[in-house]
Amino acid sequence: NAGVTQTPKFRILKIGQSMTLQCTQDMNHNYMYWYRQDPGMGLKLIYYSVGAGITDKGEVPNGYNVSRSTTEDFPLRLELAAPSQTSVYFCASRPGSEAFFGQGTRLTVV
Amino acid sequence: AQSVTQPDIHITVSEGASLELRCNYSYGATPYLFWYVQSPGQGLQLLLKYFSGDTLVQGIKGFEAEFKRSQSSFNLRKPSVHWSDAAEYFCAVVVPGGGADGLTFGKGTHLIIQP
Repeated sequence: NAGVTQTPKFRILKIGQSMTLQCTQDMNHNYMYWYRQDPGMGLKLIYYSVGAGITDKGEVPNGYNVSRSTTEDFPLRLELAAPSQTSVYFCASRPGSEAFFGQGTRLTVV
Repeated sequence: AQSVTQPDIHITVSEGASLELRCNYSYGATPYLFWYVQSPGQGLQLLLKYFSGDTLVQGIKGFEAEFKRSQSSFNLRKPSVHWSDAAEYFCAVVVPGGGADGLTFGKGTHLIIQP
C-alpha cells in the first residue's frame, strides 16, 4: 500500500505564480485534509473533504482552493502565491478513526 | 467543539531518562485518542491510539499512554529515551461519529534529548 502520496516534495515559487499540490490516497478513505505547518505553530487546517464532490473550509483557507472529483485525489491549488504561503503542507486521510499523513511538500515563495 | 491542549511547547530530557508528555482534551464524552510523532523533515506517524477498554495502551518504539477519564488526559510516557526520540509529538482526538471535522490536533510538544 502506498498510503497517502504527496507531490512534489519541494518547490520554490515566485510571488504571483500558481501551482497545485497533489495528494492521492489508495485506502478508499472518505475524509481528506490539507494542513500547513509553520515552525513552532503546530498544524493548521486549510481545507477538508468528507467525500468526492464535498469540501469545506478549515481554519486558514484564504489564498487556497481545493477540489475533490474522486475519492482518491484531493489537490490543493495556490492561485497567486505570496510569501506568507511559505510553509510545509501535509495531506492526510482517514476512514473515521486515525489519520494517515503524507510526507509533506515544502513550499518556498520568493 | 472538542479541543486538545499540550501544555508543554518544549521539553528537554537527558538520554536514558524517563519521559512524560502531557495531553488534555475537552469533550463531553470519551473521544478516540491518538499520539503522533514527527521526526525532522518527515510526516506524522501514529505512535498509539485509544478507543476503549484498557486505559494503558502500548505503542511503537517503546511508548505507552494512559487514559484518565477523571482528568481528561492522555499522557504519553517512555521509561528511557533514546537520542532518536528527539522529534515533535502531537496529541489528537477524534469525536466518534463526528464527521470529518471531528479530528483535532494539539499544537505539539518539541522533545529535545540531551546527551
